[in-house]
Amino acid sequence: DGGITQSPKYLFRKEGQNVTLSCEQNLNHDAMYWYRQDPGQGLRLIYYSQIVNDFQKGDIAEGYSVSREKKESFPLTVTSAQKNPTAFYLCASSGLAGETDTQYFGPGTRLTVL
Amino acid sequence: AQSVTQLDSQVPVFEEAPVELRCNYSSSVSVYLFWYVQYPNQGLQLLLKYLSGSTLVKGINGFEAEFNKSQTSFHLRKPSVHISDTAEYFCAVIQNTGGFKTIFGAGTRLFVKA
Repeated sequence: DGGITQSPKYLFRKEGQNVTLSCEQNLNHDAMYWYRQDPGQGLRLIYYSQIVNDFQKGDIAEGYSVSREKKESFPLTVTSAQKNPTAFYLCASSGLAGETDTQYFGPGTRLTVL
Repeated sequence: AQSVTQLDSQVPVFEEAPVELRCNYSSSVSVYLFWYVQYPNQGLQLLLKYLSGSTLVKGINGFEAEFNKSQTSFHLRKPSVHISDTAEYFCAVIQNTGGFKTIFGAGTRLFVKA
């Protein structure tokens, strides 16, 4: 079955540590995205990538980093510079059909900073 | 700048009753409109989308939405809800100017009671 996988489902981090969230898709989609979801705030875009080896900052990129070395993978690193990292993180992908394209979401990773 | 406002943060409703989830957007250019649903601890999935043509759009699970350009609204409706419709619903907008970033509303939590 085609889809998007995210791992781990739950992640706990101590303050001052970097952590990396995994996102893999087998939909052959060109574009991939990372969103952060907080209660009552909807989804906010962190980073996006339209093609391998290229990515752009979204609205809340500070304290995060990404890489796109392979078409199917788009890992997100939450660095110690992110002041309030506890949140639900969602990865998504879409074909490069422009703005009309539906985004397909992974099941999410819930990050908690202890 | 475009924005999306979901007018109700929570909507409780009895099973088999009709429901309407309200969404208004602001944009100086034409837009594409989407409704996504999120079940607890899962990613989002597309319910329906409006790109052009008929202003009444039918989606999965018996939902439909009507695009009203003069009122800049895209309200979601279902004539008879089920317990399984309990979820969070997100309205989203992409503006039709070559950009591809999706702007999400804050979400409406639909709670269906027996």
